[in-house]
Amino acid sequence: DTEVTQTPKHLVMGMTNKKSLKCEQHMGHRAMYWYKQKAKKPPELMFVYSYEKLSINESVPSRFSPECPNSSLLNLHLHALQPEDSALYLCASSQVPGLREYEQYFGPGTRLTVT
Amino acid sequence: KNQVEQSPQSLIILEGKNCTLQCNYTVSPFSNLRWYKQDTGRGPVSLTIMTFSENTKSNGRYTATLDADTKQSSLHITASQLSDSASYICVVSAGYNTDKLIFGTGTRLQVFP
Repeated sequence: DTEVTQTPKHLVMGMTNKKSLKCEQHMGHRAMYWYKQKAKKPPELMFVYSYEKLSINESVPSRFSPECPNSSLLNLHLHALQPEDSALYLCASSQVPGLREYEQYFGPGTRLTVT
Repeated sequence: KNQVEQSPQSLIILEGKNCTLQCNYTVSPFSNLRWYKQDTGRGPVSLTIMTFSENTKSNGRYTATLDADTKQSSLHITASQLSDSASYICVVSAGYNTDKLIFGTGTRLQVFP
């Protein structure tokens, strides 16, 4: 099983809402990633978890709050978002942190619209 | 500044034809180069990963080349199919043990019947 799953597929939320994105993998990978991708742009790294610990935060605003409850699950909690936060949010995983020559597997993404 | 540039930005070809996508990078230190295929609204899917010692790598109808001296890579697609319509992203890893990848802006390929 080389699958990374993400839920929900689509999410529409108001600027005062609180919502969460969920990502799951059962490949035993110990590195998990959140990316943000705007239309016609490449993915931008947001957070990296290594062995369930936050190792990289790319200066992401605090209205995005990641959480890694266990080695298979990664959440992204959203609060007080802005319309410019509307994007495709991608989760990815890799066998070990640091990538090296290991594959990075991406999920299908959550399409987020902030109204 | 670490950068990955791709050309062309977009490409239209007829089904069954071959095409070649280009990637130039200025990334140091270089560790490996990846090509991803991304369908619209979906996550990227890895096609190949090449280290500096590899010149060519194939994955079915996809063949990637790497010239570490000139810092250029290409992705050749043979006998294109309608399902090849997607964005192709060149990604370079700056360093052997880093989770940060340098993404190119991609080439949007459209294959028409």
